[in-house]
Amino acid sequence: AQSVTQLGSHVSVSEGALVLLRCNYSSSVPPYLFWYVQYPNQGLQLLLKYTTGATLVKGINGFEAEFKKSETSFHLTKPSAHMSDAAEYFCAVREFTGGGNKLTFGTGTQLKVEL
Amino acid sequence: DAGVTQSPTHLIKTRGQHVTLRCSPISGHKSVSWYQQVLGQGPQFIFQYYEKEERGRGNFPDRFSARQFPNYSSELNVNALLLGDSALYLCASSLALAGGRETQYFGPGTRLLVL
Repeated sequence: AQSVTQLGSHVSVSEGALVLLRCNYSSSVPPYLFWYVQYPNQGLQLLLKYTTGATLVKGINGFEAEFKKSETSFHLTKPSAHMSDAAEYFCAVREFTGGGNKLTFGTGTQLKVEL
Repeated sequence: DAGVTQSPTHLIKTRGQHVTLRCSPISGHKSVSWYQQVLGQGPQFIFQYYEKEERGRGNFPDRFSARQFPNYSSELNVNALLLGDSALYLCASSLALAGGRETQYFGPGTRLLVL
């Protein structure tokens, strides 16, 4: 089975500072990887995804992630944090279930942005 | 276009009761998946339906069941509720199964509290 590990359940950065949220995956097949964001009392919104092709993926709100097969990582970055980025971030891997597919999520990283 | 909609938004039940949660996918989407998100954790896969057929089932007891209707909307049913069933239940829709590249779009969720 595939799995995702998110290092750091809580990350705090200053406004304007670099955001780095870590994600490592375990997969026996080439993975499809996703980052979702969840604001308080809301559902999940897709930030970006990697399926095939270019390993540096750009998403919404200035976020990007780089797929590194050798490191089994898919870390999320943003050059300059904004107060509105405060939310919970989930990394996920697509797993095939025979007749269908599902997302397997990490436990999430709560991002706090301070003035 | 409307996104994924779920009803109700909040629900309070007592142990042993039954609950039905409803989901309407994005127009044109034929696949619906259900996830359970317990407080402080990432979403866990419960079911996937495509063209009214079950295509995947997560590690949940038989108290959990679901179905998909001809208009592609879906219901999640949980019988004999336990305190541990308290969670945010998320519905996600995608256009098709398409080998797993399809993006899953999430609804706002139904927050269930079991007393």
